[in-house]
Amino acid sequence: SQKIEQNSEALNIQEGKTATLTCNYTNYSPAYLQWYRQDPGRGPVFLLLIRENEKEKRKERLKVTFDTTLKQSLFHITASQPADSATYLCALDTMGNTPLVFGKGTRLSVIA
Amino acid sequence: GAGVSQSPSNKVTEKGKDVELRCDPISGHTALYWYRQSLGQGLEFLIYFQGNSAPDKSGLPSDRFSAERTGGSVSTLTIQRTQQEDSAVYLCASSIAGGNTGELFFGEGSRLTVL
Repeated sequence: SQKIEQNSEALNIQEGKTATLTCNYTNYSPAYLQWYRQDPGRGPVFLLLIRENEKEKRKERLKVTFDTTLKQSLFHITASQPADSATYLCALDTMGNTPLVFGKGTRLSVIA
Repeated sequence: GAGVSQSPSNKVTEKGKDVELRCDPISGHTALYWYRQSLGQGLEFLIYFQGNSAPDKSGLPSDRFSAERTGGSVSTLTIQRTQQEDSAVYLCASSIAGGNTGELFFGEGSRLTVL
């Protein structure tokens, strides 16, 4: 069956450290993968998109990698801050003109 | 405003009643999506509208759920004869075009509680 798994439900890290979140998938061949941030009681907000032919994408303190051989994406937040505390969702397209499929998310807590 | 607008933000209803949830997408966005998020769960796809094409209803959990999109803009999700398991946050999103063309813009959601 097709699955998207995010490494853990919750991740606690110390302020200033790098947070690394994992998104693994099976039985999909996505053309691209997206990461979203969701704060409690709010809708998800888009962060980054990476295409299958891109190995890495950066935006300010964020970095995303995409390994189609391992079927994995890593999402890094460097120099993490308490304000980065939120749930982070990965999402991928399954085939062409189809809706995004989302993982369950990882709740990140950055401790001061 | 410029974002996706959903109403009501909160809805409490009794089991067996019908509810309607509304979504106003960003102007000019041709694609509109409905997702459902239960407590501690990921986003579950419900239905997808793209332009004038027939909607993708493959995610609707039962025939009690239906949605329409009038004039290619506003969408209404209707749940008939609500059940307690329908309690969730219903999220609407829009994008400039469907398919693998970029980000989804989400509304803040409609929280449905069925007593």
